[in-house]
Amino acid sequence: KNEVEQSPQNLTAQEGEFITINCSYSVGISALHWLQQHPGGGIVSLFMLSSGKKKHGRLIATINIQEKHSSLHITASHPRDSAVYICAALTSGSRLTFGEGTQLTVNP
Amino acid sequence: NAGVTQTPKFQVLKTGQSMTLQCAQDMNHNSMYWYRQDPGMGLRLIYYSASEGTTDKGEVPNGYNVSRLNKREFSLRLESAAPSQTSVYFCASSSLGLAGGWETQYFGPGTRLLVL
Repeated sequence: KNEVEQSPQNLTAQEGEFITINCSYSVGISALHWLQQHPGGGIVSLFMLSSGKKKHGRLIATINIQEKHSSLHITASHPRDSAVYICAALTSGSRLTFGEGTQLTVNP
Repeated sequence: NAGVTQTPKFQVLKTGQSMTLQCAQDMNHNSMYWYRQDPGMGLRLIYYSASEGTTDKGEVPNGYNVSRLNKREFSLRLESAAPSQTSVYFCASSSLGLAGGWETQYFGPGTRLLVL
């Protein structure tokens, strides 16, 4: 069993839909990182959070430390949101343990 | 600022050949990392360097060596490439000491390596 698991693995949505991607982890963490990998391969950081909720534009990330669970929400989804979304747990020191990623496709 | 840069972008090697992947960051970060990304496996840590002059093994270090040349540069070397090392390699960096004791990692654009 992976230490960080994401669901779903693949997600297809219609433009405008509300999207949720889930991340569960089994290790002790100091923070959780959400990343976006573009179709061209580049990886960018979306959020790093250790409690509560963070919002940036149409993206919202939440974390429940007690339940060892985090969610990434996208409101009013758009085709340009199509990408792989990766959650990663920050464990000892500055090391990240990654989930396998969720492939999101938003159709117009 | 260029952020994190990697060279080359693409490389094809024959089994047994050697090569070095270069990574540099201009953000004055202390920590640098090398990951590989394979389909169905997610990103896996190969080696990391918490500060200049130190390196440590990650999850999948076999077949690789690293050098933290200075604070800016962290190279990954394949001494005798094998087809199993066909992958996309990402370098990343982070700065220690942010509030709360956690930090964002910044990723390079990746190097696609094919070993025949």
